[in-house]
Amino acid sequence: AQSVTQLDSQVPVFEEAPVELRCNYSSSVSVYLFWYVQYPNQGLQLLLKYLSGSTLVKGINGFEAEFNKSQTSFHLRKPSVHISDTAEYFCAVSDRSNNNDMRFGAGTRLTVKP
Amino acid sequence: ETGVTQTPRHLVMGMTNKKSLKCEQHLGHNAMYWYKQSAKKPLELMFVYNFKEQTENNSVPSRFSPECPNSSHLFLHLHTLQPEDSALYLCASGQGANEQFFGPGTRLTVL
Repeated sequence: AQSVTQLDSQVPVFEEAPVELRCNYSSSVSVYLFWYVQYPNQGLQLLLKYLSGSTLVKGINGFEAEFNKSQTSFHLRKPSVHISDTAEYFCAVSDRSNNNDMRFGAGTRLTVKP
Repeated sequence: ETGVTQTPRHLVMGMTNKKSLKCEQHLGHNAMYWYKQSAKKPLELMFVYNFKEQTENNSVPSRFSPECPNSSHLFLHLHTLQPEDSALYLCASGQGANEQFFGPGTRLTVL
């Protein structure tokens, strides 16, 4: 089965600074990769996904992620963050042959300070 | 109303109570999911339903009992829960290889 490791549990950053949230996965099969965001008292919302094709994926709110198969990574980046980006971010991986089996990382708490 | 809705949003119950969580999706998806989200832990998949049939049960204790009467509705029946069952319970729906769409969750507190 696949698994996901989010290397940082908390990332504090100042407003307008760039940010990278790291995600590594482990799987013996081909996978799909996702980043979700969770704002307080809400469910998870999809930021972006990698299914196939270009390894650089652009998502909502100015976020992007790059799939690196050799390093089994899918790091999330944003060149300039806003206060409103403060939230919990989850990386997820699913087996291409069984999308019901989606595994999530433990989450990274991004705090954007003024 | 669109998307995935969950009721109630908050629930406090004693260990001897019986309660139910409800999830409804208006997206025409064939699959629905229950997840448990506890502090400092990854999201835990509990149950999966495809076309109203349960296809996954990740070793969930029998005090949690799911029900899927149709592709749009999913319930989680709760009885004799323990304090460690306190968590945010998230419902999601999906179709095929695409992403899952999540509801806002039910914050459950077991006293």
